[in-house]
Amino acid sequence: EAEVAQSPRYKITEKSQAVAFWCDPISGHATLYWYRQILGQGPELLVQFQDESVVDDSQLPKDRFSAERLKGVDSTLKIQPAELGDSAMYLCASSKTGGGPNTEAFFGQGTRLTVV
Amino acid sequence: DAKTTQPNSMESNEEEPVHLPCNHSTISGTDYIHWYRQLPSQGPEYVIHGLTSNVNNRMASLAIAEDRKSSTLILHRATLRDAAVYYCIRYNAGNMLTFGGGTRLMVKP
Repeated sequence: EAEVAQSPRYKITEKSQAVAFWCDPISGHATLYWYRQILGQGPELLVQFQDESVVDDSQLPKDRFSAERLKGVDSTLKIQPAELGDSAMYLCASSKTGGGPNTEAFFGQGTRLTVV
Repeated sequence: DAKTTQPNSMESNEEEPVHLPCNHSTISGTDYIHWYRQLPSQGPEYVIHGLTSNVNNRMASLAIAEDRKSSTLILHRATLRDAAVYYCIRYNAGNMLTFGGGTRLMVKP
């Protein structure tokens, strides 16, 4: 069964360092999402891509976070510099081309980031 | 602002049906109702979605009120593996897939 792949699963980094997360969506899925989930809370959408274009990044802290999906397939989320408050689970999800609200989203297992 | 209201937590006994409520009193005509669940240390998993009619799949049933201001996710026979946080989400083309706090379901053996 096709899955959304994320790596690494776990990452520990020191504050002020740079960190990057990678996501490979299900093949053929044009829509890709990045979420951040703080322990005990629901996932918070950071950015949504349609192919290589950003659809919404209004919740992305752009002073330190960046996201790209250069060829419209896999995607990278970067934080530079990392802060203690960035410790969270970072989730990637994808949905079918032209998906929209009548389509399910598939989530990866996430990357657990700990900033020390 | 997820614009849905769910109880923080619920308990159920194993092998009994579970009805998880969701209030979405300000829903618009183009909003779909989606349900996802998240098991401990895993990413969210799609459960079911619908627009107006009740929906059934292998995981659950979704009952949508006639006025669409509320819905209920029904697990027909809860198992220990159904213990998770269940999220009810309003989703339309104009807003993103936005999660709220969800309902933590505990299943007792």
